[in-house]
Formats: sequence, structure tokens, C-alpha cells
Amino acid sequence: AQTVTQSQPEMSVQEAETVTLSCTYDTSESDYYLFWYKQPPSRQMILVIRQEAYKQQNATENRFSVNFQKAAKSFSLKISDSQLGDAAMYFCAYRGYNTDKLIFGTGTRLQVFP
Amino acid sequence: NAGVTQTPKFQVLKTGQSMTLQCAQDMNHEYMSWYRQDPGMGLRLIHYSVGAGITDQGEVPNGYNVSRSTTEDFPLRLLSAAPSQTSVYFCASKTSGGARTDTQYFGPGTRLTVL
Repeated sequence: AQTVTQSQPEMSVQEAETVTLSCTYDTSESDYYLFWYKQPPSRQMILVIRQEAYKQQNATENRFSVNFQKAAKSFSLKISDSQLGDAAMYFCAYRGYNTDKLIFGTGTRLQVFP
Repeated sequence: NAGVTQTPKFQVLKTGQSMTLQCAQDMNHEYMSWYRQDPGMGLRLIHYSVGAGITDQGEVPNGYNVSRSTTEDFPLRLLSAAPSQTSVYFCASKTSGGARTDTQYFGPGTRLTVL
């Protein structure tokens, strides 16, 4: 069975600085999708970034980028120029190629200090 | 286009009571699912459905029932609530078939407390 591990329960960063959130996963599949979701205090789940395993190029969305290491089964999220609005819970998630089911990690709470 | 809606937003139950959490989507999505979110445990899949009349169990199905009579609605039923079911519940939907460019849409969540 696939698993997703987020080993950092909490992280903090100074405004305008860069922070990296870690995620590792375990799977025997060769093709799959990986996601980072943001959950602010409003509870709404917001998709931040998506990576398709067959693509070697790391995904980027404005200040958010990933470091996808397929062989190491690692999928970290880098937030550049951190803003106060980035403070939230961040979840890493996995989806197999032939399924619609998402498997989530336990989350990392990010605090941003002015 | 309202997306995924959930009602109620908050609910308090007593042990043994029953209730239904409602979920509806207006995007004609085939796939719908229910997750529960507990501190330190992320989101765990309860039940899911790939279309009207088709449901299946997820990771933590015990104590919950679902049905899918229409494409739009996917209610989650607690037949006899227990304190262990205190949680935040999310409904989500997407187009089915594992399409490469699809996105899973989440509802705003329901916070349930069982006393």
C-alpha cells in the first residue's frame, strides 16, 4: 500500500525568506501524481501545486516550486519570498495513475513571522 | 457554479444519535469522496463513489454509510454516533478516470463533535 510521510509537524519562516517542506512517499507504481495542498485557518483545502511522475521537470507555480526526486521518492515544497498569508497547514498527497483516491500525509504547520 | 457544498458547517451530537452530512456538487463529476481530518493524522478516506449507484470503502469506513442515488449528491450517514467520530469531515469531487490534468475539489468541511 502507498504511504505518504511528512516528518516536520511544524516549521517557521521569516517573512520574505525561503522555506522548504519535506515529503517522502512509498509506492511500487511507476506512474502517479503528487500534490501539495494548503489549508488556512478557514479549513478550505487549496491545491498549491501538482507534479506528474513521468515528467522530470519540477513543477513551479509563482513562488511555489517542488523538488521531485523520483528515485528517492521525495517531493519537497519550496516557498520563496514567504508572505504572512502563506501561514497554514500544508499537506502532501499521492494519487496512483489508475485511481482517483488521494493519500495524504499528516501535514506540516507553517508559521510565518513578520 | 457553487462547486462542492457541505451542510451543516458545525454539528454537535450526543453518543448514539444519528445524522447525515450532506454533500453536493454541480460540476457533473463522477467521482466523489468523504474524508475525515484528525489532528496529527492528515485526511483519511472514509468512502468514495465513482458514479451514481456505485460506492466503495476507503481506509476508515467503520461507523459510516453512504449512498449515491444521483451524480450530484453523496451523503454520509452516521447511524450511531460515537465520540471517536469527532472530527472535521470533507467531501471532495473530481472527474473520474485518473485524467492527467484533473483536479480534486474540496468542500468547506463540517466540524462534528460527539459528546
